[in-house]
Amino acid sequence: DAGITQSPRHKVTETGTPVTLRCHQTENHRYMYWYRQDPGHGLRLIHYSYGVKDTDKGEVSDGYSVSRSKTEDFLLTLESATSSQTSVYFCAIRDGTGLDYEQYFGPGTRLTVT
Amino acid sequence: DQQVKQNSPSLSVQEGRISILNCDYTNSMFDYFLWYKKYPAEGPTFLISISSIKDKNEDGRFTVFLNKSAKHLSLHIVPSQPGDSAVYFCAASGVTGGGNKLTFGTGTQLKVEL
Repeated sequence: DAGITQSPRHKVTETGTPVTLRCHQTENHRYMYWYRQDPGHGLRLIHYSYGVKDTDKGEVSDGYSVSRSKTEDFLLTLESATSSQTSVYFCAIRDGTGLDYEQYFGPGTRLTVT
Repeated sequence: DQQVKQNSPSLSVQEGRISILNCDYTNSMFDYFLWYKKYPAEGPTFLISISSIKDKNEDGRFTVFLNKSAKHLSLHIVPSQPGDSAVYFCAASGVTGGGNKLTFGTGTQLKVEL
C-alpha cells in the first residue's frame, strides 16, 4: 500500500462545468502523476509534478491543469469538462530518491461527463 | 505514434500452463522496463522490472526477458493461476532522462481458465 487516496472515486458532471480531482499521499514522495485510462489507449500521462509548485505536461495535457501547493496533495482540474474527458483517472507517486523508477498507483476516479 | 506496443489485446491460457505476454518498443532511449497488473476497478500494481543492462529478471513465478536488439520484452508467468487473470501493461522509461516518465502500452487481457 503506497498510501495514496483519490477523491472523489466516482463523479458525474455536465459538459462545461469545472471539475477538480484530488490525489493525496501520506509518504512524502517527491513525484506525483496524473494519468487517464481509456480503452485502446492504455495509460496516458496528463501532467506530473517533481516537487511543490513544480509541474510539467504529459502527452495529453490539453484541457487539464494541475496544482501542487503542498507535498501531499496533487490536484487535477478540468477547466470546462467535455465528453471526451470521460475516463478513469489514476494518480501515481514515485519516490525518486534512489535508482527506482517504479510508480505506484492510487485506486482511480471514474469521471463521466454528460 | 505508439512507442510501446502490446499487439495482443487478449490471451487465454489454462491453469498450470505458461502465460507469455509480449511487448515491443520503438524508442531506443528507453532503458528501463516495467510490467503492471490491473484488476477491474483497481489501480495498476507494479509487478516486475528490468534494466537494459540485464536480459532477464526473475521474481517467483514471474520472469521478464529483454531482447534489446529486437526492442522486445516478454513476461512469463509459470505456472499460471486463476488469480493472474487481469490486464497486464508494459511500460518503459528513459533513465538517462531522469526516469521521470513512464510510457505505457495498451495492455493485454489475460484469462487463466480452470
